Amino acid sequence: QKEVEQNSGPLSVPEGAIASLNCTYSDRGSQSFFWYRQYSGKSPELIMSIYSNGDKEDGRFTAQLNKASQYVSLLIRDSQPSDSATYLCAVNILTGGGNKLTFGTGTQLKVEL
Amino acid sequence: DGGITQSPKYLFRKEGQNVTLSCEQNLNHDAMYWYRQDPGQGLRLIYYSQIVNDFQKGDIAEGYSVSREKKESFPLTVTSAQKNPTAFYLCASSIVQSFGQPQHFGDGTRLSIL
Repeated sequence: QKEVEQNSGPLSVPEGAIASLNCTYSDRGSQSFFWYRQYSGKSPELIMSIYSNGDKEDGRFTAQLNKASQYVSLLIRDSQPSDSATYLCAVNILTGGGNKLTFGTGTQLKVEL
Repeated sequence: DGGITQSPKYLFRKEGQNVTLSCEQNLNHDAMYWYRQDPGQGLRLIYYSQIVNDFQKGDIAEGYSVSREKKESFPLTVTSAQKNPTAFYLCASSIVQSFGQPQHFGDGTRLSIL
């Protein structure tokens, strides 16, 4: 089982719709969860951090965390063509050498006009 | 402007050659990381360092080496032992706290074999 799993997509949604991106993780001890957006050919950009169970909203983005189910999601409301990108889920894992992030392979989102 | 600077943006390696990728940050972050990204495989951790003069192997350290002589700098050397070096290399940094902090990335270096 992969440590962090995402559906690779592509996920296609019409402009103005809600896009829902999902991520599951295997390490029950994980305490920090992040969503990154990566445009083609560019480096990842942090868009959301979440540390507690429940929802966290920032503008059009909402991150949801359920530690019991080992599940984290990202909702994008009023999707725009500029949201078309690959979204990476990252989970913090504490090792003997310190904290490190494990990334999922990403979900490609396409917002269609 | 605070940030992470990677250079060069593009790099070409000949057979049997070692090449070094530069990563400099002025964010005063203690931790620095190197990742490799191949198409469809997400980011894989090569090496990371939480403090000067100390670093740890990540998941795919074979064929790579690093140093951390200064807080601001974490160069990565791709050695001739790395037989498939063509990839997008990303450097990141973060503050260090017990429960993990987000990492911030540089713009990356694309390495190809000549």
